[in-house]
Amino acid sequence: AQTVTQSQPEMSVQEAETVTLSCTYDTSENNYYLFWYKQPPSRQMILVIRQEAYKQQNATENRFSVNFQKAAKSFSLKISDSQLGDTAMYFCAFDDYKLSFGAGTTVTVRA
Amino acid sequence: DGGITQSPKYLFRKEGQNVTLSCEQNLNHDAMYWYRQDPGQGLRLIYYSQIVNDFQKGDIAEGYSVSREKKESFPLTVTSAQKNPTAFYLCASSIPRDTGVNYGYTFGSGTRLTVV
Repeated sequence: AQTVTQSQPEMSVQEAETVTLSCTYDTSENNYYLFWYKQPPSRQMILVIRQEAYKQQNATENRFSVNFQKAAKSFSLKISDSQLGDTAMYFCAFDDYKLSFGAGTTVTVRA
Repeated sequence: DGGITQSPKYLFRKEGQNVTLSCEQNLNHDAMYWYRQDPGQGLRLIYYSQIVNDFQKGDIAEGYSVSREKKESFPLTVTSAQKNPTAFYLCASSIPRDTGVNYGYTFGSGTRLTVV
């Protein structure tokens, strides 16, 4: 199984501020996909953003962006202009025909 | 609307019983997956299926069984051999990567299983 590591169990951020979540992974593959999923208190898994490894350009979805460093096997998520609705657990995931997840980072946005 | 339906939302099992969790999708996805989530932890893969009538064990398959007789359905049975079945179970589906596209995985809303 692929190894996905999220080293920050919890993060707290003030509303409207920026927070960055880290993720590293281990693989010998060259072509793969990476994802960030959000799990709010409802426990529904919601896709936040995806990155294709063969694309050098970092993916962006509205207030969410990634910093993909292929050589370093790093895939961090930046949440800009944090909103109260961003409060959730965030999972980094590696796709090699099945998703392997990190342990998650709980993000709390303070009013 | 297309999506994945998991039922029931809550399930209680007595010691020694087998229980089956339902997962149905109308997204026309070939691949389906079962994950287990324990409190405060990430998701661990139990079983997955890339095509009808075929499935593979994931990282924690012991004590679980599945079937894939129809494209739309991928039920999970938690057997009495599973020693610690209390957890949150998530079903997911996707377009296989062989198609050359990857829009991510779609998840159901989960089943909370408790042993009583």
